[in-house]
Amino acid sequence: SQKIEQNSEALNIQEGKTATLTCNYTNYSPAYLQWYRQDPGRGPVFLLLIRENEKEKRKERLKVTFDTTLKQSLFHITASQPADSATYLCALLYSSASKIIFGSGTRLSIRP
Amino acid sequence: SQTIHQWPATLVQPVGSPLSLECTVEGTSNPNLYWYRQAAGRGLQLLFYSVGIGQISSEVPQNLSASRPQDRQFILSSKKLLLSDSGFYLCAWSSDRTNTEAFFGQGTRLTVV
Repeated sequence: SQKIEQNSEALNIQEGKTATLTCNYTNYSPAYLQWYRQDPGRGPVFLLLIRENEKEKRKERLKVTFDTTLKQSLFHITASQPADSATYLCALLYSSASKIIFGSGTRLSIRP
Repeated sequence: SQTIHQWPATLVQPVGSPLSLECTVEGTSNPNLYWYRQAAGRGLQLLFYSVGIGQISSEVPQNLSASRPQDRQFILSSKKLLLSDSGFYLCAWSSDRTNTEAFFGQGTRLTVV
């Protein structure tokens, strides 16, 4: 079965630095790879989506890369702020089945 | 605009009691619907998903079942709850046309005692 790994359970960085989160998956590549933000006690909120034929996608301070050879996605937050502190989840969408599978998440803490 | 409603927000149930969690979506038709469970400090485990009325795919064998009696209604049920059923349950929908990102409800915190 498909497996998704987010390498770091928790990541602590200094405000202003770039946070880089990693998502690796096994088996076949999904149609889309997505990143979500989740705050405590709330449902995840969609941030970015990247398609299997795309290498990089940007949105404001966020950047996502997708390497189907390595079966890996990197999620970057530049100029990080304490308000960016949250859990970040990567998710894979397999269009043939319409199902969305999530990784275990990385809890990001930005210290002032 | 589309909205998703999930209730109740919190629930405390004794072991062996039944469960029914309801989720409804407004402002769209024929959505893909999902039920996830999240244990404390963990990721989201896909429990069930549905691409249409009466069409349910189960991802993990367990003590739960799901039904979709109407296009925009998704129900998660159990006949007899176990302690291990405790967790944060999230309903989500995605568009059947674009089939991209998921939109989540506010979740139900279930504690089985």
